[in-house]
Amino acid sequence: KQEVTQIPAALSVPEGENLVLNCSFTDSAIYNLQWFRQDPGKGLTSLLLIQSSQREQTSGRLNASLDKSSGRSTLYIAASQPGDSATYLCAVWGGSEKLVFGKGTKLTVNP
Amino acid sequence: KAGVTQTPRYLIKTRGQQVTLSCSPISGHRSVSWYQQTPGQGLQFLFEYFSETQRNKGNFPGRFSGRQFSNSRSEMNVSTLELGDSALYLCASSTSGGNAKNIQYFGAGTRLSVL
Repeated sequence: KQEVTQIPAALSVPEGENLVLNCSFTDSAIYNLQWFRQDPGKGLTSLLLIQSSQREQTSGRLNASLDKSSGRSTLYIAASQPGDSATYLCAVWGGSEKLVFGKGTKLTVNP
Repeated sequence: KAGVTQTPRYLIKTRGQQVTLSCSPISGHRSVSWYQQTPGQGLQFLFEYFSETQRNKGNFPGRFSGRQFSNSRSEMNVSTLELGDSALYLCASSTSGGNAKNIQYFGAGTRLSVL
């Protein structure tokens, strides 16, 4: 059974700092991995999708990497801003044919 | 293009009642998935519909059911509500889902409170 873990559960940083969010998964047989952002009381916004054959994806200040063999992904946020404050979720598509989510990292960027 | 639309946004029900939630996917998207989000369990997959057929199902009791119409709109029904069904219910659509594993686009959710 695929399990996804995100560490840390919460993170507070000053504005302008570069930061890394971590995601690990137990079964390396995945099709892809997605990073989402969720603002309080809202739905999820897809940030990046990495196919299993890829090593990384970039969008603006965000860079996500994938190491399938070790079951790890990282989301790098450069020059953080208060507007980046949200919960970040990672999810994997695996053999169960469904998205399995981690419980998220709640990020607070302080002005 | 309009995004995924979920109605209603908020619902308050009492134990034993039933509820129906609605999801309109992005135009052209044929796959609709439903998820339950709670503080304790996080996001859990309920089921996925594609072309009016349930293609995959999570580990939820039979009180949770769904359907998809020919225009890809989907409804989710929960019968005999329990306190533990209080959650944010999220719907996601994609161009095909299943083997294609495309990007999932989520709606804002329906917040269900069971009293």
